[in-house]
Amino acid sequence: NAGVTQTPKFQVLKTGQSMTLQCAQDMNHEYMSWYRQDPGMGLRLIHYSVGAGITDQGEVPNGYNVSRSTTEDFPLRLLSAAPSQTSVYFCASRSSPSSGNTIYFGEGSWLTVV
Amino acid sequence: AQSVAQPEDQVNVAEGNPLTVKCTYSVSGNPYLFWYVQYPNRGLQFLLKYITGDNLVKGSYGFEAEFNKSQTSFHLKKPSALVSDSALYFCAVRDIGNSGGGADGLTFGKGTHLIIQP
Repeated sequence: NAGVTQTPKFQVLKTGQSMTLQCAQDMNHEYMSWYRQDPGMGLRLIHYSVGAGITDQGEVPNGYNVSRSTTEDFPLRLLSAAPSQTSVYFCASRSSPSSGNTIYFGEGSWLTVV
Repeated sequence: AQSVAQPEDQVNVAEGNPLTVKCTYSVSGNPYLFWYVQYPNRGLQFLLKYITGDNLVKGSYGFEAEFNKSQTSFHLKKPSALVSDSALYFCAVRDIGNSGGGADGLTFGKGTHLIIQP
């Protein structure tokens, strides 16, 4: 059972570089989202999608782009990396409302911007 | 608006003793409540949830949580702690009537580090 798969696990970027964090889920979930986790701040929502072709901003969207061309994939793009984007990133997907909204998380991507 | 508070940054418990990790919430309607656990360098794993019904919810790894509507609390408990329970624990809430707050509509607490001492 693959669940939610994120790549890469670790990445070091230089300031100003761009990159894409990949996320794929094989559970046919309509809802997918990206969070960042910073010490003492819990999880903060970056962007989310309620289905293919539909995306929206979360709490901390600046500096990030997303797209949802298929149900399975939800990549997160850093346009011009900044040290403030050093963080751990989690992709998540949600089951249907009838099953109580349990969220399933990927294993995380540790990003350092130098 | 919905919110979650985990009042303790860290909880220390001796192995074999009972443990409690506290969570209080605020919603305008009725809540869905969740506990997740995160081990070092890993993603969040679902432990248990309260949707409706029995106030005592049993989950993975011997954990349970009690929903208390009058105190707006959902504390995580385990009768006998194991060293392997040491991890970061997150409480999360969703107002049943809330379709916003992102795709999942969940608000997470800041997390509580649980340390089980041998």
